[in-house]
Amino acid sequence: DTEVTQTPKHLVMGMTNKKSLKCEQHMGHRAMYWYKQKAKKPPELMFVYSYEKLSINESVPSRFSPECPNSSLLNLHLHALQPEDSALYLCASSQDLGGTGELFFGEGSRLTVL
Amino acid sequence: ELKVEQNPLFLSMQEGKNYTIYCNYSTTSDRLYWYRQDPGKSLESLFVLLSNGAVKQEGRLMASLDTKARLSTLHITAAVHDLSATYFCAVDTGRRALTFGSGTRLQVQP
Repeated sequence: DTEVTQTPKHLVMGMTNKKSLKCEQHMGHRAMYWYKQKAKKPPELMFVYSYEKLSINESVPSRFSPECPNSSLLNLHLHALQPEDSALYLCASSQDLGGTGELFFGEGSRLTVL
Repeated sequence: ELKVEQNPLFLSMQEGKNYTIYCNYSTTSDRLYWYRQDPGKSLESLFVLLSNGAVKQEGRLMASLDTKARLSTLHITAAVHDLSATYFCAVDTGRRALTFGSGTRLQVQP
């Protein structure tokens, strides 16, 4: 199983809503990532978790709050977002932060903020 | 700050032709990745290049890495329509913090 599963696939929310994106993998990977991709742009790194601890935060605004409850699961909690936060949010995982380092990406959650 | 530059940004080519996409990066790294993305879809891993001189081939695609020149190439041989997609290179800045190039949108015309 080389799958990274993201839910929901689509999400529409208002600026005052609180919602969460979920990412799951069962490959035994110990590193998980959130990337943000705006239309016709490359993905940009947001967060890296390694062994359930936050390893990298790329100066992401606090309205995005990541959480890694266990090694298989990564959440992204969303609160008071702005319309410019509308994007495709991609989750990825890798075996760890060393080794061959191949990242496996999920299908993404497409977020629209009204 | 790491810069990753891909060129061309857009490539229209005919089926059966060969072409090369270039990926230049500005700082030392010995790991480079190539991904394919279809419209509205996620990223599909094509190649992971881990050392200077690495060359990998899969079907009509071949990728190489020259860490001294800070250059990677993705060569397309005898293009077919199914290869139409956006191709990204990504450089590992350490601890798997990938910085992506702008992407090359490839259109293969019948």
